[in-house]
Amino acid sequence: GEQVEQRPPHLSVREGDSAIIICTYTDSATAYFSWYKQEAGAGLQLLMSVLSNVDRKEEQGLTVLLNKKDKRLSLNLTAAHPGDSAVYFCAVNMGYKLTFGTGTSLLVDP
Amino acid sequence: GPKVLQIPSHQIIDMGQMVTLNCDPVSNHLYFYWYKQILGQQMEFLVNFYNGKVMEKSKLFKDQFSVERPDGSYFTLKIQPTALEDSAVYFCASSPSTGHSGNTLYFGEGSRLIVV
Repeated sequence: GEQVEQRPPHLSVREGDSAIIICTYTDSATAYFSWYKQEAGAGLQLLMSVLSNVDRKEEQGLTVLLNKKDKRLSLNLTAAHPGDSAVYFCAVNMGYKLTFGTGTSLLVDP
Repeated sequence: GPKVLQIPSHQIIDMGQMVTLNCDPVSNHLYFYWYKQILGQQMEFLVNFYNGKVMEKSKLFKDQFSVERPDGSYFTLKIQPTALEDSAVYFCASSPSTGHSGNTLYFGEGSRLIVV
């Protein structure tokens, strides 16, 4: 089945810096990619989704890059602020099953 | 955005008893899911459900687990009997059936289950 690796597991940045999280996956037929944010004790908040025919997508200070050749998906938070502190998960799916990455705990220091 | 509601948010239960976790998915969504998360770790797929049937389940979906959605009411996860290792947060999700956003899953806030 699909295997998803995510790195780094922990990331600490200063307010205003950028933060980059990377996921790699194994199944080249994967069709849909998403990033979720989970704040402490809360559920998953969908940040952005992209189809496999999209290389780059930007929304509200977030940039998602998809490199299908290398099977790599990244999330770049430009100008991070303390409210971005949370755990971030990538998710990839084929059909209607989602496989999550292992998560990245992001801490943004003011 | 679309909201998935889960009831209860927390439950403590004695080992061996039955528990039912309830999920009110986004209206007009047709695909439903349960995920399990232990201590803020990775989200692990349990099962997905469509048109009254389990479509796919993982090895975590033990024989003691069952799901149903009778007559369009709550989508439920039942564990009978519960075991200590069932302690986790269980997340429900739903997704639309088709279209560009067909594969986007919307998650509830989770039901924290503690088995003692």
